[in-house]
Amino acid sequence: EDQVTQSPEALRLQEGESSSLNCSYTVSGLRGLFWYRQDPGKGPEFLFTLYSAGEEKEKERLKATLTKKESFLHITAPKPEDSATYLCARSGNTGKLIFGQGTTLQVKP
Amino acid sequence: GAGVSQSPRYKVAKRGQDVALRCDPISGHVSLFWYQQALGQGPEFLTYFQNEAQLDKSGLPSDRFFAERPEGSVSTLKIQRTQQEDSAVYLCASSSGGGTQAFFGQGTRLTVV
Repeated sequence: EDQVTQSPEALRLQEGESSSLNCSYTVSGLRGLFWYRQDPGKGPEFLFTLYSAGEEKEKERLKATLTKKESFLHITAPKPEDSATYLCARSGNTGKLIFGQGTTLQVKP
Repeated sequence: GAGVSQSPRYKVAKRGQDVALRCDPISGHVSLFWYQQALGQGPEFLTYFQNEAQLDKSGLPSDRFFAERPEGSVSTLKIQRTQQEDSAVYLCASSSGGGTQAFFGQGTRLTVV
């Protein structure tokens, strides 16, 4: 069964305090590993897609990396506006996404 | 339009009432997905369309849930005889297919009272 597990469930950081979010996924039939950001009351917003182990992608203070069994979302020197829920999802052949439960990040000024 | 549009944004239904939720995908996107998101959880897959064909409905929780996309663009998710456990946010997403990134709408928050 396809599974995605994210940790931690919640993370509180001080502004400027770097950290990483973890996503573990089942490998069989993987077509892509996706990261989304979701703000309260809104739909998920696409951040990154990773396809193969060793791949890395960056956007502003965020960097996503992929290994054979895990993906990490590194947040460097976060700001309060980075506060959101970050969702990891794996994609199979049809493109349907299997999501983890998300990590809720709070960045305090 | 520029993005995926869902309506209504909020819906309150009395238990036993039928509801219909609408999704307007990004123009030209062949793939359309419906997800259900409970409070504090990640979205869970309900069903998938490629153009007008419903290729996967394995996530629909019961036969009270029905989805259609008759002309391969707008889609409707219908829930018959709503129950309290149906209360959730229903998200629609579209993509150009082939496992490419999906774009999500704002969702419809359904509350069954």
